[in-house]
Amino acid sequence: AQSVSQHNHHVILSEAASLELGCNYSYGGTVNLFWYVQYPGQHLQLLLKYFSGDPLVKGIKGFEAEFIKSKFSFNLRKPSVQWSDTAEYFCAVKSSGDKLTFGTGTRLAVRP
Amino acid sequence: NAGVMQNPRHLVRRRGQEARLRCSPMKGHSHVYWYRQLPEEGLKFMVYLQKENIIDESGMPKERFSAEFPKEGPSILRIQQVVRGDSAAYFCASSPQGGNSYNEQFFGPGTRLTVL
Repeated sequence: AQSVSQHNHHVILSEAASLELGCNYSYGGTVNLFWYVQYPGQHLQLLLKYFSGDPLVKGIKGFEAEFIKSKFSFNLRKPSVQWSDTAEYFCAVKSSGDKLTFGTGTRLAVRP
Repeated sequence: NAGVMQNPRHLVRRRGQEARLRCSPMKGHSHVYWYRQLPEEGLKFMVYLQKENIIDESGMPKERFSAEFPKEGPSILRIQQVVRGDSAAYFCASSPQGGNSYNEQFFGPGTRLTVL
């Protein structure tokens, strides 16, 4: 069975700091990869997704992620965070079928 | 275009009662997915439905839980004889197509179930 690991459970940063959230998955076949964000009191929203092609994917709000197949990783990055980026971030994988397998999430707090 | 709608947003039940959670997919979406998020855990897949069909229920507990997506009306997740361990946030998602398509799943706001 596939699984997704997010090693950082809580991250605290100051505004303008750079962000990198780790995501590793275990599955040997073709995968589709996603990062979702959940702002306080809101529902999950898609930040970015990878299906094929360029392994460096750009999403909304200045976020990007890089798919490194050899490392089974899909880390999320942002060069300069803002207070409004405070949220919980979930990495997810879809392999065969349609169900998404989620990581446990990373809570990001950005200090103004 | 309205997003995925779920109601109620908050539901409180006593042990042994039934809980019914509703999900209306986005307009034009015929695929619905239910996920459960237990405290301090990620979302876990429960069931995937198309209109009038259950496609994948591999994540559903074998007892007390059932789901349907009738031809008309919302998808319903039903939990009979709730127990405290059922307390969680239940999220519904929808997509226009399934079957390994390139479509993302759009999530609703969730229903937070509390069992007293």
